Amino acid sequence: QKEVEQDPGPLSVPEGAIVSLNCTYSNSAFQYFMWYRQYSRKGPELLMYTYSSGNKEDGRFTAQVDKSSKYISLFIRDSQPSDSATYLCAMRVSSNTGKLIFGQGTTLQVKP
Amino acid sequence: NAGVTQTPKFQVLKTGQSMTLQCAQDMNHEYMSWYRQDPGMGLRLIHYSVGAGITDQGEVPNGYNVSRSTTEDFPLRLLSAAPSQTSVYFCASSPRGAYNEQFFGPGTRLTVL
Repeated sequence: QKEVEQDPGPLSVPEGAIVSLNCTYSNSAFQYFMWYRQYSRKGPELLMYTYSSGNKEDGRFTAQVDKSSKYISLFIRDSQPSDSATYLCAMRVSSNTGKLIFGQGTTLQVKP
Repeated sequence: NAGVTQTPKFQVLKTGQSMTLQCAQDMNHEYMSWYRQDPGMGLRLIHYSVGAGITDQGEVPNGYNVSRSTTEDFPLRLLSAAPSQTSVYFCASSPRGAYNEQFFGPGTRLTVL
C-alpha cells in the first residue's frame, strides 16, 4: 500500500462547478501538506501548502487537512477551463527534510 | 532567471546504454532533487542533495548515480539503462529549509528499448 493515495480520476466538471480533490495517507508523522498543479507536459508547480491540521484559503482555492482522519482536500470554487490540469498532493514529515511523498495525481478537466 | 533547466527534453536509449540527464538552476538553491514520474505512481524521489558535495538516496535510487560538484548543477547518471527506467524525469530545487515550494524543471522523457 502506498503511503499517499489519490484517486487518479479523470474528473470532468462543467465550468463554474466546485471541485473537491482528496488524498489519504498512512504515515501519521507527516506534518507538511502541499498541493502541486501540473499542466500537460510541464513540471509541477506549487499551488499551496499547509502545516499540520486546519484550513487555508487562497483565492478560489481552499486546502483542508484533517490529521485525525489522515485526509487532505483541495477545493476549487468557480472552476475555470484554465484549471484543467493534474493535481498532485505531496507531504513531508519534518522541517529538516525536503523529501516529498506524492500521491498519484488527479487529472481534472473543466469543460466550458 | 531561467529557473530549473533540463536537457535533453527527449531521449531514446537501448538496453545497456548509459547516459547523463542534465539539470541546472540559476537561483542559488542549495537543495536539489531528482524524481521520476510514471503513470499511476505519481512522482518518486530518486536522489537528492542538500548542497555541493552532499548527496543521498531517495525512494528509488537503484540504477542511478548522482554527484553535486557545484551549487548550480545536479546531473543524474543511468549506469546501464533498462526498460523499467522508461519514465519522465524531473529535477527540482529549493532554498535549503524552504522545502514546501520546490521548483521543477520541464522534465526529460526517456524511453529505453
